[in-house]
This record gives sequence, structure tokens and C-alpha cells, in this order.
Amino acid sequence: GAVVSQHPSWVICKSGTSVKIECRSLDFQATTMFWYRQFPKQSLMLMATSNEGSKATYEQGVEKDKFLINHASLTLSTLTVTSAHPEDSSFYICSARAGTGTSSLRRQYFGPGTRLTVT
Amino acid sequence: AQTVTQSQPEMSVQEAETVTLSCTYDTSESDYYLFWYKQPPSRQMILVIRQEAYKQQNATENRFSVNFQKAAKSFSLKISDSQLGDAAMYFCAYGTNWATDSWGKLQFGAGTQVVVTP
Repeated sequence: GAVVSQHPSWVICKSGTSVKIECRSLDFQATTMFWYRQFPKQSLMLMATSNEGSKATYEQGVEKDKFLINHASLTLSTLTVTSAHPEDSSFYICSARAGTGTSSLRRQYFGPGTRLTVT
Repeated sequence: AQTVTQSQPEMSVQEAETVTLSCTYDTSESDYYLFWYKQPPSRQMILVIRQEAYKQQNATENRFSVNFQKAAKSFSLKISDSQLGDAAMYFCAYGTNWATDSWGKLQFGAGTQVVVTP
């Protein structure tokens, strides 16, 4: 089946620095990807929709200047957490949608997630 | 906006027994997707089952089946013959119709932790 990878799987950074997380679709083209955030023992909350070749669409309450999303190719979306603070520590998960045509052919695939710890 | 509600924070089941997880949702749309995802300790999201709202027949996948009640906006998951490997967090999720620009974007419930005891 389709595979989505994320890199890195775990990153520790110091407060005030920026960190980039990559989401790749390995065997299919994904013109649209989604970024979610998950705090411990909580649900996944959608942060933004990443569209190849255009600006990302952010959910209400998500700071665009803090969480920069770039979808530069059909297989890669990046999330950059700028000027990270301890409260940004979380698990970040991407998903990519695949398939065209009828409903039954359409799927979304999740990456394995990236654990961000800001010290 | 759509909302998804899971009112059971945790459910415990013995091996080989059956457990049912509840989920309700709110939407004004007539066509949409509903999902159950499993998240084990690795935190990789694993699709358990998918239901398309226009299909009246309840989806089944091996030991997993759903009871989809569209009018009541209810979507429960039944796990039969529970196994130790079924222990995980289970999330109910809502997705918009495939014909919309936002298809693939999911709204998740709070999750239900399934504990399987020997």
C-alpha cells in the first residue's frame, strides 16, 4: 500500500530555534497533505492543509507565522516551527490524500509522526 | 462545522470477548465518510474500517464491524474475539465527501483507550 514517511521521527531543540519536519509520499503523488498536532493522551487536531504550489490553508487559531508550511513538490511538504517554545512540544503527524475518480478509490495515508521536544 | 464525540475514555475487554465503542457526530452534509482509526503505542495511525455515508450496508473488516445509524448520526465499532494486539487508542473520524476540495481532511473524536485483559 501507499507509504508516507516523516523525518525526523524525534527532534529535540532549544527554545528560540526553528525546526523543520518533512512529510513525504513515497510511492504516489500527493497534491494535498494535512498537518495534525497531537498532545499527550489527546486527539489529533488539524493544523493546516498543504497544497502543492500554493499557500497553505490554516485552521482557526493556528499561527501562520509560527508554523510555516511549504509544499514544494508533489511528494514533499515541510512544516517549520519557528522560534519554538516548550509549549510547542507535541507530536506532529502528516497525512496525504491519494487517488482520483470514484469514492472507493480515494484514500488518505498517515505518516508515522514526529515527536518535537523544545527545551 | 462537524463535530465528533466519543464519550468512553476507556473500555476494558477480556481476550476473546466483544467490545463496542460508541461514536456520534454532527453534520449538515448528506454524503461523507466515517472512519475508525487505531493508534497503538507507536502512534502510527492505522485505518481499521471505513464507511461511506451513502452506503446503507454496515462495513466489516474481519473481526471489526460497525453499526452505522445515519439518521441518529451514530457510528459504533464492534471488536469481536478481542486479541491482546487490539489494545490501543481508537479514534472515530469524520471526513467530507470525496467530491469536495477538502476531502481527506479529518475531524477526530477524543478517542477511546481499549484495554485487553488475558
